[in-house]
Amino acid sequence: DTEVTQTPKHLVMGMTNKKSLKCEQHMGHRAMYWYKQKAKKPPELMFVYSYEKLSINESVPSRFSPECPNSSLLNLHLHALQPEDSALYLCASSQVPHSNEKLFFGSGTQLSVL
Amino acid sequence: GESVGLHLPTLSVQEGDNSIINCAYSNSASDYFIWYKQESGKGPQFIIDIRSNMDKRQGQRVTVLLNKTVKHLSLQIAATQPGDSAVYFCAENIYSGNQFYFGTGTSLTVIP
Repeated sequence: DTEVTQTPKHLVMGMTNKKSLKCEQHMGHRAMYWYKQKAKKPPELMFVYSYEKLSINESVPSRFSPECPNSSLLNLHLHALQPEDSALYLCASSQVPHSNEKLFFGSGTQLSVL
Repeated sequence: GESVGLHLPTLSVQEGDNSIINCAYSNSASDYFIWYKQESGKGPQFIIDIRSNMDKRQGQRVTVLLNKTVKHLSLQIAATQPGDSAVYFCAENIYSGNQFYFGTGTSLTVIP
């Protein structure tokens, strides 16, 4: 299994809603990532988890709250988002933290905030 | 066909021609580089990688060249096919950390 699975594929939410994005991998990878990608732009790093602990937060607003319940799962909890947060949210994983290993990406969750 | 760094975000080539996509990276401490292909509605897909102790690496129909002196990376695609049409990103990793940063990207269109 060489896949990173993200759910849901599409999400529409209001600014007062609370929702969660989910990411799962069964490759035994110990580094997991959240990226945000606006249309026609490159992915932007948001968070990095190494061995289930948050190791990097790229100054992301607190309305985005990551969680890594175990080595296979990564969540992104969303609350009080703004319309400008509408984007494709990508999850990725790599085998060993702090080593030069390629990232495997999921297909993303396309988020629309109304 | 060839793109000129990050200043030419689109590249059109005839099917069967070779394509060259360029990327200028900013951090001299970057020690690992990856090229990704992203098709519409999908996540980035790994194409090829290269470590900073190498100048060239070849895969199937693709070659990556690294010039550390001028901080330049290129992706060469041989005999470009319509299925190669996508956006191509380079990504750099600094100090073997977990922070992969992506370049602006180049949109490649292959004309049948």
